[in-house]
Formats: sequence, structure tokens, C-alpha cells
Amino acid sequence: KNEVEQSPQNLTAQEGEFITINCSYSVGISALHWLQQHPGGGIVSLFMLSSGKKKHGRLIATINIQEKHSSLHITASHPRDSAVYICAAYSGAGSYQLTFGKGTKLSVIP
Amino acid sequence: DVKVTQSSRYLVKRTGEKVFLECVQDMDHENMFWYRQDPGLGLRLIYFSYDVKMKEKGDIPEGYSVSREKKERFSLILESASTNQTSMYLCASGTGGFYEQYFGPGTRLTVT
Repeated sequence: KNEVEQSPQNLTAQEGEFITINCSYSVGISALHWLQQHPGGGIVSLFMLSSGKKKHGRLIATINIQEKHSSLHITASHPRDSAVYICAAYSGAGSYQLTFGKGTKLSVIP
Repeated sequence: DVKVTQSSRYLVKRTGEKVFLECVQDMDHENMFWYRQDPGLGLRLIYFSYDVKMKEKGDIPEGYSVSREKKERFSLILESASTNQTSMYLCASGTGGFYEQYFGPGTRLTVT
């Protein structure tokens, strides 16, 4: 079974700082998801990656398949970025399941 | 936009009650999932369904059952609620391929 580890667990940043959240997994995967959960519960999908890098606004996600590692970067952080960020690994054909990390709680202070 | 709705945002039930949590999706997705989310443990899969009337156990099915009579609706049933089932319950739906999942808003269940 895949193990997905995230770091750090908690992160506090000043508005405007560059933020990095890390995710590593133990078994090769087909794709990795980054999810965002705001207070109140709703989860939205930010990125789905199988290789390389994706960018959406101030968010950048990268994945290194050989090293079994992914990072989520937030440039010019803003208080509205405060949320829990979760990575989830999809093992591939024959599996319906995602394996989730425990999440990183980000607080951005004005 | 994909919409996944859950029957309640907050629910309080007594120990021993039978509890129904309902989830409806409007995108004709084949796959639907029930998760619970607890502090320090993250999201854990309870059950999933890949077709009408089909279901598979996830990582923590004990104390739960599910029903999928129609493609758009997936119900989670707690036959006899216990205090250790107090949690946030999240429903999701998705298609095959790389397995993007769309989540509902969650139901925060408290069992007293």
C-alpha cells in the first residue's frame, strides 16, 4: 500500500512570502493530486500531475517521478490562501483509490 | 460545473440511532465514494461504488453500509451510531482515467 507523507504539518507565513509544501510517496504512481480544503470543509482540486510542472495563477505544482516527490508552491501568498492543502496519490490501472496525505495547514498572516 | 451535494451540513444523533447520509451528483459519474476525515488521520475511504448496485469496501468499512440504487445517488448508512463515528463525512464522485474526484461540502456528524 502506498504511503503518502506531507511536510510540514503546519505552516504560518507572512503575506507576500513564497510558500512550499512537500509530498512524498513510497510506491510508483500514475498521477498525483493537490487538493485545497477551506475552513467549513469543502475540498477542491487544484492540480492533477503525472509529470513535470503545472501552473495556475500564483500556484505551481511540480513532480519528480524518479524521486517520488511533489511540491506545491504559492508565490506572493495572501490571507485567502489560508487552508489545508492535501496531496493524494493515484496508483494506476486496476485501482479506484486515492491515497491521501494527512494535509498541511497553512495560515497566511496579513 | 460538477455539483456534488450532501443531505446535511451538520447532524446530531444519539448513540444507537440509524443514520442515513445521502450524496447526489449531477455529472453522470460512474464512481462515487464515502470518506471520513478526522484530525491527524486525514481522509480515509469507507466505501466506494463503481456502478449502480455495486460497492466495494474501503479501508474502514466496519460499522457502515452503503446503498446505490441510482447512478446519481450514493447513501452511507450507520446501522447503530456510536460516539466513535463522530466525524466529518465527505462524499466524492468521479470518472475513470486519472481519477479526478469532485467532493461534496461534507457533513459534520456528532453522535452523543
